[in-house]
Amino acid sequence: ILNVEQSPQSLHVQEGDSTNFTCSFPSSNFYALHWYRWETAKSPEALFVMTLNGDEKKKGRISATLNTKEGYSYLYIKGSQPEDSATYLCGYSGNTPLVFGKGTRLSVIA
Amino acid sequence: DAMVIQNPRYQVTQFGKPVTLSCSQTLNHNVMYWYQQKSSQAPKLLFHYYDKDFNNEADTPDNFQSRRPNTSFCFLDIRSPGLGDAAMYLCATSRDLGQGRVQPQHFGDGTRLSIL
Repeated sequence: ILNVEQSPQSLHVQEGDSTNFTCSFPSSNFYALHWYRWETAKSPEALFVMTLNGDEKKKGRISATLNTKEGYSYLYIKGSQPEDSATYLCGYSGNTPLVFGKGTRLSVIA
Repeated sequence: DAMVIQNPRYQVTQFGKPVTLSCSQTLNHNVMYWYQQKSSQAPKLLFHYYDKDFNNEADTPDNFQSRRPNTSFCFLDIRSPGLGDAAMYLCATSRDLGQGRVQPQHFGDGTRLSIL
């Protein structure tokens, strides 16, 4: 059974704070790591798809890093805004279709 | 414009009464997926279609079936819903390329299913 762990489960930050959360996944048979942002009452939206060890991707204030050898990825949000409030899902793909973690629920307080 | 559309947004059915959830896409993607997400749990893949090729996950209950009559539409049929089937059901699509592993998946808004 593939295990994808995300931590923390939930997070409350003040507007303007920077924050980060973790996705841990099996380091064997790695193929790709996905990050999605899921706002309440909307559809999950793709942020990044990462495939290379050491890869770093950025979209505005959000960035992600990938370490396939040790099996983790970090998602960073710089200067959090209330509109960043959402659940952030990571999905790991090895020899199978995506296996998702439970997500990190971020609340940004104005 | 929504590219993956799920209907209905909310579905209520009775215990044991068959129910069908629908998904349509305008992306012309080869692969369509159905996920089940229960409260505070990870979305769990039930099955996926690569074109007309159906791929069932090993632990998906027999109660769950799927149909894909054409590229644009995919249905999830629950033959005899039990209380444990109450969940959010998400449909997603991707282009080919290794079962969508390196291409992002495009999701619908989901159908929240309640069982009375």
